[in-house]
Amino acid sequence: GDSVTQMEGPVTLSEEACLTINCTYTATGYPSLFWYVQYPGEGLQLLLKATKADDKGSNKGFEATYRKETTSFHLEKGSVQVSDSAVYFCALSDYYNQGGKLIFGQGTELSVKP
Amino acid sequence: DADVTQTPRNRITKTGKRIMLECSQTKGHDRMYWYRQDPGLGLRLIYYSFDVKDINKGEISDGYSVSRQAQAKFSLSLESAIPNQTALYFCATSDPGQGAGQPQHFGDGTRLSIL
Repeated sequence: GDSVTQMEGPVTLSEEACLTINCTYTATGYPSLFWYVQYPGEGLQLLLKATKADDKGSNKGFEATYRKETTSFHLEKGSVQVSDSAVYFCALSDYYNQGGKLIFGQGTELSVKP
Repeated sequence: DADVTQTPRNRITKTGKRIMLECSQTKGHDRMYWYRQDPGLGLRLIYYSFDVKDINKGEISDGYSVSRQAQAKFSLSLESAIPNQTALYFCATSDPGQGAGQPQHFGDGTRLSIL
């Protein structure tokens, strides 16, 4: 079945450092790809998404590009802030074959130090 | 007010007890989902409902049941709780009209501890 694999955390960075969180997927169809963020004590919020190959999603300085040839959707940010400390989840959804159910990676905890 | 509301936010109970977690939404979405989150495992789908009369098992439905009382309400029950059901539970909704790429909207979660 479809699956998502993320780099393991926790990841600890200093403020203004560059961030990359790797995400790869396996899918039989043509999924949409998502990054969700979970701040402490809260539910998940959509951070960005891409629905087809070569699409780039972006939001709040974060970016990720849907790479079909490498089955990847890595999350990047050029300069992280303390407020970016959270757990980040990569996910996929195959709307046409599975009706929009989300399959999540295991999550990567990011801690940004001042 | 939150668009997706889960009650209770925290619950501690004993093995063998029956527990109901409730979810209500004001987004008008047809689709609703229940997930559990465990450290290192991400979120796993327990049950989902595409409308009031359409309820489906997810990846890990054993030991759980659900009820879709109305478009806006979707409850998760643990008939006889066991300690390995200790987890953070999330309800989510989505709008199928958005097609591929439809995001899901999450509640703030219920932290359940079973002793």
